Amino acid sequence: QKEVEQDPGPLSVPEGAIVSLNCTYSNSAFQYFMWYRQYSRKGPELLMYTYSSGNKEDGRFTAQVDKSSKYISLFIRDSQPSDSATYLCAMTAIGSNYKLTFGKGTLLTVNP
Amino acid sequence: DAMVIQNPRYQVTQFGKPVTLSCSQTLNHNVMYWYQQKSSQAPKLLFHYYDKDFNNEADTPDNFQSRRPNTSFCFLDIRSPGLGDAAMYLCATSRETGTSRSGRGNEQFFGPGTRLTVL
Repeated sequence: QKEVEQDPGPLSVPEGAIVSLNCTYSNSAFQYFMWYRQYSRKGPELLMYTYSSGNKEDGRFTAQVDKSSKYISLFIRDSQPSDSATYLCAMTAIGSNYKLTFGKGTLLTVNP
Repeated sequence: DAMVIQNPRYQVTQFGKPVTLSCSQTLNHNVMYWYQQKSSQAPKLLFHYYDKDFNNEADTPDNFQSRRPNTSFCFLDIRSPGLGDAAMYLCATSRETGTSRSGRGNEQFFGPGTRLTVL
């Protein structure tokens, strides 16, 4: 079993839809959870950073962490064509804080 | 704007011909990382520097070397590129490797990447 599983998609939604992106993980030591957005042929851009379980909201983006289920989500409300990108989840464990374990990424297309 | 800059954005080299990729940062971060990302795959960490201390990942091939002459710059040297080394190479920085109680400090900020083609 891979440490981090992420559905690669592709996921195609109409403009204005609510998008749900998810990752599951197996390492219970993971404490810090991140979502990166990567446009085609560009570097990943940090979108959300959460520590331990709970929700965090930033504009149209909400990150959720459920450590009991080893499941994290990113919700995008009122999705826009400019949200079309690959979304990568990443996480680190206490004691190995520099090393990010990434999911493979979900390719999202928001159609106008 | 504080940022991570990579040059060149696109690099073409020949099989076996050494190549150097460059990264610079204006964030004044302690840590600099090099990742390899192949198509539709997650970034793979090659190594990182904490200040001048070099840390190699166990599975990074010897063909890959790195230099960090000062805080701002870090270079990735590929001594003898093979066809399998064609990829996007990403540089990232973070303020620290550890975290405070709030969890901040180890967020990694990426540059735009250098896409390497090996002919």
